[in-house]
Amino acid sequence: KQEVTQIPAALSVPEGENLVLNCSFTDSAIYNLQWFRQDPGKGLTSLLLIQSSQREQTSGRLNASLDKSSGRSTLYIAASQPGDSATYLCAVDWNSGSRLTFGEGTQLTVNP
Amino acid sequence: DAGITQSPRHKVTETGTPVTLRCHQTENHRYMYWYRQDPGHGLRLIHYSYGVKDTDKGEVSDGYSVSRSKTEDFLLTLESATSSQTSVYFCAIRQGNTEAFFGQGTRLTVV
Repeated sequence: KQEVTQIPAALSVPEGENLVLNCSFTDSAIYNLQWFRQDPGKGLTSLLLIQSSQREQTSGRLNASLDKSSGRSTLYIAASQPGDSATYLCAVDWNSGSRLTFGEGTQLTVNP
Repeated sequence: DAGITQSPRHKVTETGTPVTLRCHQTENHRYMYWYRQDPGHGLRLIHYSYGVKDTDKGEVSDGYSVSRSKTEDFLLTLESATSSQTSVYFCAIRQGNTEAFFGQGTRLTVV
């Protein structure tokens, strides 16, 4: 079964810390992987899309990496700020179709 | 923001009544999706569409039906609402195997 897992479910860090969020997937036959941010009561905002042929994608303080062979992606956030507090979700687009499968997310709290 | 609008944003309905949620896009994207989001389950795919009148089931499709008669509109219908369908429903769009964009969600309560 094609599954996506995010650990930990929740993370609390002090402001200014660099941090890594993890996403693992069970099938290496992926088309791409996307990271989203969700604020409470809101929809999902796309952060980064990383294609299966890429190893990294960067946007500002965010850097996403992809290792298909190990079934892992990480989202690195540099110099975290209280405004980064949100739930971060990863979603995998499998080669076998046009569906996105989501992990359950990591709820991040950045304390001032 | 991607041109995607969900309506209504909030709805309370009684058990056994039919309910229709609407997703409207202005991006002319081919694919449209309906997800539900519940604590402990994350986002789960209900149905999706890959073109006008072309739809397929997701992992939690029981009790739901969809229709897409125009590129811009994707309707989700709960034939006879149950309390287990209380959830937040999200619509998403994308052109192909590309970046997905989400609506703001519809909070549905079945009492």
